[in-house]
This record gives sequence, C-alpha cells and structure tokens, in this order.
Amino acid sequence: EAQVTQNPRYLITVTGKKLTVTCSQNMNHEYMSWYRQDPGLGLRQIYYSMNVEVTDKGDVPEGYKVSRKEKRNFPLILESPSPNQTSLYFCASSSPGNRAQYFGPGTRLLVL
Amino acid sequence: QKEVEQNSGPLSVPEGAIASLNCTYSDRGSQSFFWYRQYSGKSPELIMFIYSNGDKEDGRFTAQLNKASQYVSLLIRDSQPSDSATYLCAVNRGEYGNKLVFGAGTILRVKS
Repeated sequence: EAQVTQNPRYLITVTGKKLTVTCSQNMNHEYMSWYRQDPGLGLRQIYYSMNVEVTDKGDVPEGYKVSRKEKRNFPLILESPSPNQTSLYFCASSSPGNRAQYFGPGTRLLVL
Repeated sequence: QKEVEQNSGPLSVPEGAIASLNCTYSDRGSQSFFWYRQYSGKSPELIMFIYSNGDKEDGRFTAQLNKASQYVSLLIRDSQPSDSATYLCAVNRGEYGNKLVFGAGTILRVKS
C-alpha cells in the first residue's frame, strides 16, 4: 500500500529536550515536505526536499532542522523545542510529474 | 494580505444541495491549484487539482479557475453529510510543484 508514515503520532515533551519526528514514504517520491498546522493559520511549510541531500527552507523554518540521507526518509529535528512549537505536524511527499502531495497521518506535539 | 484566502465558515448546506467554496490568491504567477479535504483529526487528502482556466469536473466535484481574477472555487453537487469537513485551497508557487501555500480552510457542514 502506497503511504507516508510518521512516528510518533503523539508526543509530549519539555522545553529544550531534543526530539526527532520520522517520516518515511514508499512511493519513490523525489519531493518531501514538512508542514505544521495551527488553528486559524492553516498549513505552513517548514522545510522541503527535492531529492537526497537537497533541502531548503519553507515559510517557517526557525527552530527546525531536516536531513535527507535516503530518498524514502525525511526526519524533522527539533534541537531545543519551545512551547510555540506545539502544533500538528504533517509530512508529505510528491513526484515531479504529479504535483499532488500525499500527506502522512500527522504528529501531534505538545511542548511544556 | 494573506497569500491564499478562504472564508473560514462554517458554510452550512442541506443534504442534496450544491456547496460552493471559494478561494482567492495573490501571486499572479501561480500555476497550479489544489483542493484538499480534511476531516477532523485526519490528514489532508487531495480532491482535485486544476492548472488551466475554466472548469474541471470529477464526479460530484467541479473546480473552477479564473486566473485573471485570481480566483479558484470548488463546487460539490448533491452534498452528503459525509462531505462535512474542512476544505483547504492550496496554490503552488514553486516551479517544481514543491512549494504549496495553503489557505486556512473553510468548514463545510452538510445537514441531513
């Protein structure tokens, strides 16, 4: 089954404790992105990657890091989480010819 | 001015009616446009995409694009209670389809 998976699905952490949210896709897509979704603000792109070792900032990259060492994986790293990073996070992937993005199930993060 | 604007709603329609959802965007260079549906607590799923001016139909859904007016709409015919969700308009401002900008979404409620 074609899918985008994220782990963990739910996470409660404390300010300053480094965390990683994993994202993996099995569709051989070149493009992958991370979004955060907040009430009233909609989905905002954090980082995106056009292929292995190629990443770039989206609209709200501050406080986040990413890496793309393998085509299927695109982890999101919060080196020192803060309460304003409490949000619902989605990973998405797409291929160049088909510009529709396919979303993972989401990760709900609470930073205390 | 937000780059992609939608009326937050809620838009309430009776079962069997036509629901009309609207979206405006600010970047005249935008080339592709998407409608996603998001049920509460779930990830966005693609309903339709449209690249050219005019109408595009898929089952009960019709997307309409007017680039001169910078306006995209989604019509849902024969609305069903299962159509109750938040509808997200997204505009691609990346050359390679990798930089989607989302509106905050319109809540649709279909009453039986």
